[in-house]
Amino acid sequence: AQSVTQLDSQVPVFEEAPVELRCNYSSSVSVYLFWYVQYPNQGLQLLLKYLSGSTLVESINGFEAEFNKSQTSFHLRKPSVHISDTAEYFCAVSDPRGGADGLTFGKGTHLIIQP
Amino acid sequence: GAVVSQHPSRVICKSGTSVKIECRSLDFQATTMFWYRQFPKQSLMLMATSNEGSKATYEQGVEKDKFLINHASLTLSTLTVTSAHPEDSSFYICSARDPAGELGYEQYFGPGTRLTVT
Repeated sequence: AQSVTQLDSQVPVFEEAPVELRCNYSSSVSVYLFWYVQYPNQGLQLLLKYLSGSTLVESINGFEAEFNKSQTSFHLRKPSVHISDTAEYFCAVSDPRGGADGLTFGKGTHLIIQP
Repeated sequence: GAVVSQHPSRVICKSGTSVKIECRSLDFQATTMFWYRQFPKQSLMLMATSNEGSKATYEQGVEKDKFLINHASLTLSTLTVTSAHPEDSSFYICSARDPAGELGYEQYFGPGTRLTVT
């Protein structure tokens, strides 16, 4: 069984400041890792993913996440946030062996950007 | 990117009635779709995995007779909440796996359906 822990339910940050959203997972096997973003009144959108290869993955809008196997973490970072980044962010894992397994999500972190 | 739609976006029904929610992959064929439930300020919980042409696989604790899932075509899966009660009120989200995506693991999410049972 897998589980995902997002330690912070809410993170307030001033505009243009850096931010880190934490994600830790528990699994007895290797996993695929994802970050999804949910803007108000919208569905989930994939932000970035780690499947294999380089442990640092980047999105097109400035976010990056680093897979750390020893710490079982996949923290999301952005060096300078914008008002438009205000959203709910979900970390998720899946078992590569599962083939058709659904995702296991964390409880989400609400990123609040303050002007 | 691939698009998944859900219909309706919001529905209000009376206790004891049944409600059907549709999930469609608009520009790709999805052999596998997933149904999630999201409570306010909480995460998504996987309810069931829907495979085209076969019975759905339900997660532990999800009543299959209450949440009927049908995946009759490669672009459509339906979730029917039968004899709905107020505790079934929630945000229901579907996703569809694009087999042509990277490693076939790309899931695309629908915008969700807000169900309110009065």
